[in-house]
Amino acid sequence: AQRVTQPEKLLSVFKGAPVELKCNYSYSGSPELFWYVQYSRQRLQLLLRHISRESIKGFTADLNKGETSFHLKKPFAQEEDSAMYYCALNTGFQKLVFGTGTRLLVSP
Amino acid sequence: GAVVSQHPSRVICKSGTSVKIECRSLDFQATTMFWYRQFPKQSLMLMATSNEGSKATYEQGVEKDKFLINHASLTLSTLTVTSAHPEDSSFYICSARAVRTGVTDTQYFGPGTRLTVL
Repeated sequence: AQRVTQPEKLLSVFKGAPVELKCNYSYSGSPELFWYVQYSRQRLQLLLRHISRESIKGFTADLNKGETSFHLKKPFAQEEDSAMYYCALNTGFQKLVFGTGTRLLVSP
Repeated sequence: GAVVSQHPSRVICKSGTSVKIECRSLDFQATTMFWYRQFPKQSLMLMATSNEGSKATYEQGVEKDKFLINHASLTLSTLTVTSAHPEDSSFYICSARAVRTGVTDTQYFGPGTRLTVL
């Protein structure tokens, strides 16, 4: 079954603290994974994808096939990082399966 | 950057009426657009894939006669909710797939349409 699991609905941290948003997937093929972010009252936008191996706004995510995970990390959270974060799996031809999302709240 | 618009942003209709939602790619051509549905505090669920010039493909459990999709041009896809009922009330989001030579395939999302059926 194709599935994306984000176990935390809400993650609350203080500014400057490290952040890790968890994402696990279930997929029989070679996975292509993404993190999307939705800031308050804004549309969903791509944050990063695993094939690019990039760092966007200080966030990184490494695909771990052994653990079937694609956790999103940032060493020092900022207040402007507060948003809803969705992990997504490309199941073919860019058809995305989304996780249920994690709301990140960064307090001053 | 690539922008996707949706119209209307919000619609309220009576039960039994049909509602059309438009999804436009403003500055790029999209051979493929996707329609998602999002219930409150839940994730996005893919409803169907809209392909320019051909029939849409629907995900399992989505009634194609209920949710009519038309992708008549490379910049416009429409979703029509026919004979809407209160259970169709939801947030509908479209995305457009930008495919350009030498650029990684990327999906851009619209702002969504809130449908409320009374």
